[in-house]
Amino acid sequence: SQELEQSPQSLIVQEGKNLTINCTSSKTLYGLYWYKQKYGEGLIFLMMLQKGGEEKSHEKITAKLDEKKQQSSLHITASQPSHAGIYLCGAPLRGANSKLTFGKGITLSVRP
Amino acid sequence: NAGVTQTPKFQVLKTGQSMTLQCAQDMNHNSMYWYRQDPGMGLRLIYYSASEGTTDKGEVPNGYNVSRLNKREFSLRLESAAPSQTSVYFCASSAGQGAQPQHFGDGTRLSIL
Repeated sequence: SQELEQSPQSLIVQEGKNLTINCTSSKTLYGLYWYKQKYGEGLIFLMMLQKGGEEKSHEKITAKLDEKKQQSSLHITASQPSHAGIYLCGAPLRGANSKLTFGKGITLSVRP
Repeated sequence: NAGVTQTPKFQVLKTGQSMTLQCAQDMNHNSMYWYRQDPGMGLRLIYYSASEGTTDKGEVPNGYNVSRLNKREFSLRLESAAPSQTSVYFCASSAGQGAQPQHFGDGTRLSIL
């Protein structure tokens, strides 16, 4: 089984709708990183969450970290076509200083 | 601003051929990484370099070698390519020594026949 499970696997939303995607770890979370990838391009770093309960926002994207649930959620408000892409989470699962293990990613499509 | 530049963007090799993938960053970053991305497998770390002069194995280092030529450049070499190494390869960098990756290149799409 995957150490970092991302759900749902894919998502199609109508432009203007809100959405939430999740990243759940089977191990203790020492922090969590969110990235976005457009087809044929590299990853773009969105934000890093380090402490339980921490919440960060970047434009219309908000991410939260729930250490007790070993989970992070990423919420997009009033989605736009520019939000379409693959969202990946990564976390150091073998100790706080270990390198990131990545989830498989969630493909988001936004219909105009 | 170029950021992280990878060359080539596409390459087709025959089994057994050798090849070096190049990566350069112009942000004076200390840490550099090489990942491979495969369908259904996600992103996996091959090697990383926490600072100039150091390299360490990641999750899937077999069949690869790396060189941190200087602070800017981090190359990945396939000595004898195998079809299982068909993948998209990404280089990444970050400012701090040993810091997690923040800036990624656009990838090298490598097919091995």
